[in-house]
Amino acid sequence: GESVGLHLPTLSVQEGDNSIINCAYSNSASDYFIWYKQESGKGPQFIIDIRSNMDKRQGQRVTVLLNKTVKHLSLQIAATQPGDSAVYFCAENDASGSRLTFGEGTQLTVNP
Amino acid sequence: GAVVSQHPSWVICKSGTSVKIECRSLDFQATTMFWYRQFPKQSLMLMATSNEGSKATYEQGVEKDKFLINHASLTLSTLTVTSAHPEDSSFYICSASVSGGGRGYTFGSGTRLTVV
Repeated sequence: GESVGLHLPTLSVQEGDNSIINCAYSNSASDYFIWYKQESGKGPQFIIDIRSNMDKRQGQRVTVLLNKTVKHLSLQIAATQPGDSAVYFCAENDASGSRLTFGEGTQLTVNP
Repeated sequence: GAVVSQHPSWVICKSGTSVKIECRSLDFQATTMFWYRQFPKQSLMLMATSNEGSKATYEQGVEKDKFLINHASLTLSTLTVTSAHPEDSSFYICSASVSGGGRGYTFGSGTRLTVV
């Protein structure tokens, strides 16, 4: 069952503001990173990915930044909308590609 | 795009019974499938990795005799929770990879298991 005391970090923003969600990864051998969005009761949905030979990648309204020096990943969402409310997870994959390890997740709430 | 269908979306079972969850890749062949478990307000924890035609590789702490995984074809993997107990109640999610654990991961919609 659920471990006592664990809870997701939360981020609350106003509609239209930009959101920044951060993630620290642990494996220096990881060379591929993915951000997922998970709505309540659903499976993770791919948002954007980045390989370790890049430090920035942009999508539609989203940007991922990778800092390999400090093993840090961030997801920026521009003009956040109520539909962006969900839990966001970063995931890392090592060069073998055999395992995808998820971070702890952040609950994003967008207030209208 | 690649679609993974997971069934059932929710199930309630009595303690001591077994439950089977199916994961199908609908429009691609998945050489590798992954099973995750997610407790409320927590992240996804990998339970096991299965390759078509071979035995699954279980993560440390996951009982292989309790969580039976079968990957008999390139489009179907099943997870059977045997002799379920209330502590097995969780959200189970499968994921499929096109190229043997490579870079393209597609997730199912998850199965909410409640053991009473």
